Amino acid sequence: DAGITQSPRHKVTETGTPVTLRCHQTENHRYMYWYRQDPGHGLRLIHYSYGVKDTDKGEVSDGYSVSRSKTEDFLLTLESATSSQTSVYFCAISEPGGNTEAFFGQGTRLTVV
Amino acid sequence: QKEVEQNSGPLSVPEGAIASLNCTYSDRGSQSFFWYRQYSGKSPELIMSIYSNGDKEDGRFTAQLNKASQYVSLLIRDSQPSDSATYLCAVRRKSGYSTLTFGKGTMLLVSP
Repeated sequence: DAGITQSPRHKVTETGTPVTLRCHQTENHRYMYWYRQDPGHGLRLIHYSYGVKDTDKGEVSDGYSVSRSKTEDFLLTLESATSSQTSVYFCAISEPGGNTEAFFGQGTRLTVV
Repeated sequence: QKEVEQNSGPLSVPEGAIASLNCTYSDRGSQSFFWYRQYSGKSPELIMSIYSNGDKEDGRFTAQLNKASQYVSLLIRDSQPSDSATYLCAVRRKSGYSTLTFGKGTMLLVSP
């Protein structure tokens, strides 16, 4: 998985609690992304980062925040988890430039009960 | 209109046949195009990328791009049961911070 580690791999949490997912890379890629994948919706971009402390929103960013204090780590926080945030979350990395591919982590399956 | 559209399938083909997977995109400013394969319960893995009009071949896989028609396809020759997976089309725009937009994927089933 191209030196990308997501943690935890599985998590069950209660509605209303904060949750943080971690993505760690050893590839020194500048760009990092958080996607969620749901049946019928495919992969949707939540937030992305184009450098340390540089982040921006994707198409489904409501209820999520991110932080990137080091090149290798990108954190996704669900501020107050809701059942609609039950999903599989994927981290991806890439180099800048149009013709560069993105590599994905193993995914985190999050269940909000 | 969705930015990247794929038929959800499933597309069923017999072993040894050619599987043809299609994708259309709406943004004429799109620059680069990718095909990912995703097995059930696994993460997407890149199998092909294409940036110029025409065909690009890699083993049993051929990607085809037609920017005028805003259409990209993936052909899998000599399909094998191990090719059974969901195939995701992804598109990157020319401008901005190079985020990838994905289609919902096409499920391919190859029967022995």
